[in-house]
Amino acid sequence: AQSVTQPDIHITVSEGASLELRCNYSYGATPYLFWYVQSPGQGLQLLLKYFSGDTLVQGIKGFEAEFKRSQSSFNLRKPSVHWSDAAEYFCAVGGISNFGNEKLTFGTGTRLTIIP
Amino acid sequence: DSGVTQTPKHLITATGQRVTLRCSPRSGDLSVYWYQQSLDQGLQFLIQYYNGEERAKGNILERFSAQQFPDLHSELNLSSLELGDSALYFCASSHGDSTGGGQYFGAGTRLSVL
Repeated sequence: AQSVTQPDIHITVSEGASLELRCNYSYGATPYLFWYVQSPGQGLQLLLKYFSGDTLVQGIKGFEAEFKRSQSSFNLRKPSVHWSDAAEYFCAVGGISNFGNEKLTFGTGTRLTIIP
Repeated sequence: DSGVTQTPKHLITATGQRVTLRCSPRSGDLSVYWYQQSLDQGLQFLIQYYNGEERAKGNILERFSAQQFPDLHSELNLSSLELGDSALYFCASSHGDSTGGGQYFGAGTRLSVL
């Protein structure tokens, strides 16, 4: 069965500092990996996705993530956080079929707090 | 704006009642997914439809049902509501082919069962 682990429930970072959010996955085939962000009271916004090819993927809002198959990880990074990055971040894994994306399995999320 | 529209934004109802949540996918997307987000269960997949047909089922209760119509919009019906059904319900859509592309989520419907 597929699963996603986000070991950090809550992370606090100073504005302007670098950020890394951890994600480990378990998936039986080639994984399709995603990071989503959810601001309070909002829906989920797709930050970036990995399907194949270059293991370092760039996303929106200055985020990037690196796929490491040997470690079953897909960590999210940002070199310098802004106060507007405060939100909940979800890592997800899924597959692909002839009917498109299969169901996503989400981690429990990491809440990011930014301090001045 | 993801292009996925969900209505209503909020629903307040009583136990035992039935509600319908509506979702319009992004233009051109054939697949629609429903997810439930609650504090104790997190984000959980409920069901997927592709071009009008059910394709995958997750932990969806028998009291819940969904359908996708010819114009590709989808409805999630929740009946005999219980307090524990209070949650945020998300709809997502994707192209529906093997090239991937990710799922794009609507803003959600917050259901409160009193």
